[in-house]
Amino acid sequence: DGGITQSPKYLFRKEGQNVTLSCEQNLNHDAMYWYRQDPGQGLRLIYYSQIVNDFQKGDIAEGYSVSREKKESFPLTVTSAQKNPTAFYLCASSISGGGVYEQFFGPGTRLTVL
Amino acid sequence: GNSVTQMEGPVTLSEEAFLTINCTYTATGYPSLFWYVQYPGEGLQLLLKATKADDKGSNKGFEATYRKETTSFHLEKGSVQVSDSAVYFCALRDLAGGYQKVTFGTGTKLQVIP
Repeated sequence: DGGITQSPKYLFRKEGQNVTLSCEQNLNHDAMYWYRQDPGQGLRLIYYSQIVNDFQKGDIAEGYSVSREKKESFPLTVTSAQKNPTAFYLCASSISGGGVYEQFFGPGTRLTVL
Repeated sequence: GNSVTQMEGPVTLSEEAFLTINCTYTATGYPSLFWYVQYPGEGLQLLLKATKADDKGSNKGFEATYRKETTSFHLEKGSVQVSDSAVYFCALRDLAGGYQKVTFGTGTKLQVIP
């Protein structure tokens, strides 16, 4: 079955530590996205990538970093510079181009900073 | 910039009641409009979409009509079930920025009681 997987489902981190969230897709999509979800705030875009080896900052990129070395993978690193990292993180992918293509979402990773 | 405004929740309804969740938007271009649904602890799933004015999206008994004159995309269902309990997100997609940027509303939680 095609889809997006995120791991782990739950992640705990001590303050001052970097942590990397995994996102893998087998939908053959060029575009991939990372969102942060906080209660009452909807989804906010952290980073996006339209093609391998290229990515752009979204609306709230500070304290985060990404890489896109393979089409299937778009890992997100939450660095110690992120002041309030506790949140639900969602990865998504879509076909690129001018058409109306939906974004497909993974099941999410809930990150808690202890 | 683009924005999406949804009615605040939670919305609590009895089974078989009529559902309306209001959504209005602000956009500079000609956006496509979406409703996504999120069940507890999961990612978002596309519920329905509309790509141009007067289009009606429909799926699983849910409907929404793209109203350009009122910049609205209200979600409706004639008879809700307990299994419809979830958070619903209205979203718009605009290509004006050169990529598939999606702007989400804050979400509306629906609780259906037996």
